[in-house]
Amino acid sequence: AQSVSQHNHHVILSEAASLELGCNYSYGGTVNLFWYVQYPGQHLQLLLKYFSGDPLVKGIKGFEAEFIKSKFSFNLRKPSVQWSDTAEYFCAVTPSNWAGNNRKLIWGLGTSLAVNP
Amino acid sequence: ETGVTQSPTHLIKTRGQQVTLRCSSQSGHNTVSWYQQALGQGPQFIFQYYREEENGRGNFPPRFSGLQFPNYSSELNVNALELDDSALYLCASSLILAGDLGDTQYFGPGTRLTVL
Repeated sequence: AQSVSQHNHHVILSEAASLELGCNYSYGGTVNLFWYVQYPGQHLQLLLKYFSGDPLVKGIKGFEAEFIKSKFSFNLRKPSVQWSDTAEYFCAVTPSNWAGNNRKLIWGLGTSLAVNP
Repeated sequence: ETGVTQSPTHLIKTRGQQVTLRCSSQSGHNTVSWYQQALGQGPQFIFQYYREEENGRGNFPPRFSGLQFPNYSSELNVNALELDDSALYLCASSLILAGDLGDTQYFGPGTRLTVL
């Protein structure tokens, strides 16, 4: 069965620290990959996505992620976090073929990031 | 460009009752997906509607049903509510075009359903 695993459930960092959140998926075919963020009291927002092409993708607010196909991974990174990055981060995957149920997003459990000022 | 909106924001029901949640998709989108998010969990796919037809369903019982209207807005109906149905219900809209590599889903704020 398809699944997404986020390794870190809770992360606490100080401002200016570097961030890397792990995401691995299990699926044998080609996939589309997403990171969403949910700031306190707000709805899910798209941070970045990968469909094809350059495996290093850049998103909003200085975030980037690298797709490593051989490792089935799509880790999220930011060189220097800010207090305003405090949020819940979700990795999600969908198989990239147009067929019935395959358009659904499969989600990780999320990583709660707290950035101390 | 209008974003995804959902109503109501919060809802309290008792076991056995029925509930209807509503979603207005983002302008220009033709697909609506519904997800259930329990506390501390990632969203779970309920079903998706594309051009007014169900286009995939997750592991939810038949008492979860939906509709998509010609303007691409959507409803989620849940019959015979159970305590475990208490969750945040998320609606996401996207534009699916034949031949696309994929679609990007944009989420509404959700409806918080509490079943007592």
